[in-house]
Amino acid sequence: DGGITQSPKYLFRKEGQNVTLSCEQNLNHDAMYWYRQDPGQGLRLIYYSQIVNDFQKGDIAEGYSVSREKKESFPLTVTSAQKNPTAFYLCASSIGGNSVYTFGSGTRLTVV
Amino acid sequence: QKEVEQDPGPLSVPEGAIVSLNCTYSNSAFQYFMWYRQYSRKGPELLMYTYSSGNKEDGRFTAQVDKSSKYISLFIRDSQPSDSATYLCAMSYSGGSNYKLTFGKGTLLTVNP
Repeated sequence: DGGITQSPKYLFRKEGQNVTLSCEQNLNHDAMYWYRQDPGQGLRLIYYSQIVNDFQKGDIAEGYSVSREKKESFPLTVTSAQKNPTAFYLCASSIGGNSVYTFGSGTRLTVV
Repeated sequence: QKEVEQDPGPLSVPEGAIVSLNCTYSNSAFQYFMWYRQYSRKGPELLMYTYSSGNKEDGRFTAQVDKSSKYISLFIRDSQPSDSATYLCAMSYSGGSNYKLTFGKGTLLTVNP
């Protein structure tokens, strides 16, 4: 079955450490997105990529980095520069030129 | 003014009730409108997709878009406990390469048996 896989489901990070969240899709979608979800704040766009080897900052990119070396993969690195990284992170993808998103099941990151 | 406004609730209804969920928006360029359902600790899943103004029905769910009022609604008939979730409205522009979605903050719905 086609879909988006996010791993791990739960992730714990010590302050000052970088951590990478995985997102893989087998839907042959061109575009991929990373969102952060906090209680009461809805979904906020971190980064998005419309094509391999290209990506753009979203509304809250500070403290995050991404890469898009393969069409299927769009990993997100939460760096130590992100001051409040504890959140639920969602990856999504869509066919180029189409706004219908397919979401992964999310990664809950907790800083300890 | 935020681009998309959605009452966060929470909304609690008895089983069998008709539920009305709503969003307003400020950008008249939006033409594609969606409703996503998100169960606790899960990713959102697409529930309804409509283009421009009008109604769309799918089983117990009806989506309405009124572009003149910049107002969209989702109606759930004969609500079930399994409908308990957060409902997110989303919308986007048409044309070009701008197909990013703008989301409402979501409304938390609980259907009580």
